[in-house]
Amino acid sequence: GAVVSQHPSRVICKSGTSVKIECRSLDFQATTMFWYRQFPKKSLMLMATSNEGSKATYEQGVEKDKFLINHASLTLSTLTVTSAHPEDSSFYICSTSPREGRSVLETQYFGPGTRLLVL
Amino acid sequence: GESVGLHLPTLSVQEGDNSIINCAYSNSASDYFIWYKQESGKGPQFIIDIRSNMDKRQGQRVTVLLNKTVKHLSLQIAATQPGDSAVYFCAENSAGNNRKLIWGLGTSLAVNP
Repeated sequence: GAVVSQHPSRVICKSGTSVKIECRSLDFQATTMFWYRQFPKKSLMLMATSNEGSKATYEQGVEKDKFLINHASLTLSTLTVTSAHPEDSSFYICSTSPREGRSVLETQYFGPGTRLLVL
Repeated sequence: GESVGLHLPTLSVQEGDNSIINCAYSNSASDYFIWYKQESGKGPQFIIDIRSNMDKRQGQRVTVLLNKTVKHLSLQIAATQPGDSAVYFCAENSAGNNRKLIWGLGTSLAVNP
């Protein structure tokens, strides 16, 4: 399967600071990446769809000014949690789908996740 | 053993037994389905997928069955091993949904040695 990396894998920050999480597709171009959030023992919750070269599309209830997404290249998308608070502590996961010719495949491949703890 | 994945249940099986994990999907228009395995502290890992024009697909030690009549999906794992212990999620997608996956709630599989 496709290889997707995330950095950092784990981060602890103070309340009020901002944290940037990187998501990279290592072996294919990714015009679209997805950002998810996951609470313990729960399913994945889609936060936003990141589109290369354009604005991200946020799901209902997700604050775009709180979770800034930048998809500046075909291999990198970043999620910045601004002015983080303890309730933002969670497991953040990105995913992307490989292209096959002109088509983007439906299968999503996931990064290893980033554990954020806000104190 | 079997489970129904409408909440997060735990399915316990003995090593070497076959496991069946079930999922009831929500959208009758969904035409693509995926099973993912998620180990603790890691991202989901693709296991197997199936399109709606099929009712069965086999991989290595895994089989996915699709029953569109009752909107039911199952994952069968043959000769379950301790390394199969994880949470298993089904996900569905449909044309025109901007490739956003709809996720099941997950089933935790515990393999007893």
